[in-house]
Amino acid sequence: DAGVIQSPRHEVTEMGQEVTLRCKPISGHNSLFWYRQTMMRGLELLIYFNNNVPIDDSGMPEDRFSAKMPNASFSTLKIQPSEPRDSAVYFCASKTQEMNTEAFFGQGTRLTVV
Amino acid sequence: DAKTTQPPSMDCAEGRAANLPCNHSTISGNEYVYWYRQIHSQGPQYIIHGLKNNETNEMASLIITEDRKSSTLILPHATLRDTAVYYCIVRAYFGNEKLTFGTGTRLTIIP
Repeated sequence: DAGVIQSPRHEVTEMGQEVTLRCKPISGHNSLFWYRQTMMRGLELLIYFNNNVPIDDSGMPEDRFSAKMPNASFSTLKIQPSEPRDSAVYFCASKTQEMNTEAFFGQGTRLTVV
Repeated sequence: DAKTTQPPSMDCAEGRAANLPCNHSTISGNEYVYWYRQIHSQGPQYIIHGLKNNETNEMASLIITEDRKSSTLILPHATLRDTAVYYCIVRAYFGNEKLTFGTGTRLTIIP
């Protein structure tokens, strides 16, 4: 398996524009997580899904952020409109639902909002 | 999930054992200790986890004290590629699946 695949790897956009980050989890994994990492706040969990259903979105910063998982092999994180303070590295991770199994992280998307 | 405390940074000579401590004094009986690391510009990588017995795999060893209030991750023969931020995380055996990352320990391997 190629692991968790995120796209794009880098994104530069202007303030006010819509940004969509994409994630393909490892085949057979039914839990998916979106994290954001900044120097100031470290790694923060934004939302996670089990079997394509959002379970905990308490980390989503505000209404400008939305996440979807239309099927088991694809998820998106959308920011609309984007702001400079959204600049960060966004990671997607997946794992099986078995207890105490490890989570596998993608390489991340580095987002810069200017 | 219980809170963890780690030193912000450590150095270790290449080829020596790196011992990374973690305090989790409020850990409860159903919580596991997980270790992940993050090499610069990459996503976090799982290392090892345990409940109360010591654990060893191809990457590292995990030593958990008898009272489970602290643990030590041991990299037996550190290489330059082990330079990374190491995160100690406590998570319940069942229930919420999420991993909550703290600030971790920045380990630098010195040639």
